[in-house]
Amino acid sequence: AQSVTQLDSQVPVFEEAPVELRCNYSSSVSVYLFWYVQYPNQGLQLLLKYLSGSTLVKGINGFEAEFNKSQTSFHLRKPSVHISDTAEYYCAVSDGQAGTALIFGKGTTLSVSS
Amino acid sequence: GAVVSQHPSRVICKSGTSVKIECRSLDFQATTMFWYRQFPKQSLMLMATSNEGSKATYEQGVEKDKFLINHASLTLSTLTVTSAHPEDSSFYICSASPVQGGYGYTFGSGTRLTVV
Repeated sequence: AQSVTQLDSQVPVFEEAPVELRCNYSSSVSVYLFWYVQYPNQGLQLLLKYLSGSTLVKGINGFEAEFNKSQTSFHLRKPSVHISDTAEYYCAVSDGQAGTALIFGKGTTLSVSS
Repeated sequence: GAVVSQHPSRVICKSGTSVKIECRSLDFQATTMFWYRQFPKQSLMLMATSNEGSKATYEQGVEKDKFLINHASLTLSTLTVTSAHPEDSSFYICSASPVQGGYGYTFGSGTRLTVV
């Protein structure tokens, strides 16, 4: 079964600093990878996804992630964070088979302070 | 874009009663819908996968008689929490995949269930 490991449960950072949230996935023949953000008491918002093609994926709100097959990683990055980026971030994986669910990592709490 | 509507957003019920949560795909047909549960400060745990017109597939440890899932049409799936207890209090989120074309998961906005 597919799985993802988010290596950091909490990441504190100052405003305008760069940030990287780390995610490793279990290897598989095909893998689709996603990053979602969740604000308190809200649903999930898709930041970006990797299905195929270019390994550098750009998403919304200035986020990007790089698919690294050799290291089985899909780390999320932002060059300069804002206070409003404070939220819970989830990495998720699917094997791409029709009818299979997304499996989520445990999440990383990003806390941006001034 | 694809939109999934989940209703209600919040519900408080008494212990022993049943609660129904609806998940509707508004602008696409969903072959498959997924139900997740999220406890405070925890990740989303897959509860079950439902396919239109067939019985849901439950994850290990999820009581199928307690969490009844019905996927009666390509745009509607419901989760009924039967004989709810305080430990069933949680955030429930549904997700839908389209019938054909494209690939992706669209999530509802979630339902906060509180059992008192």
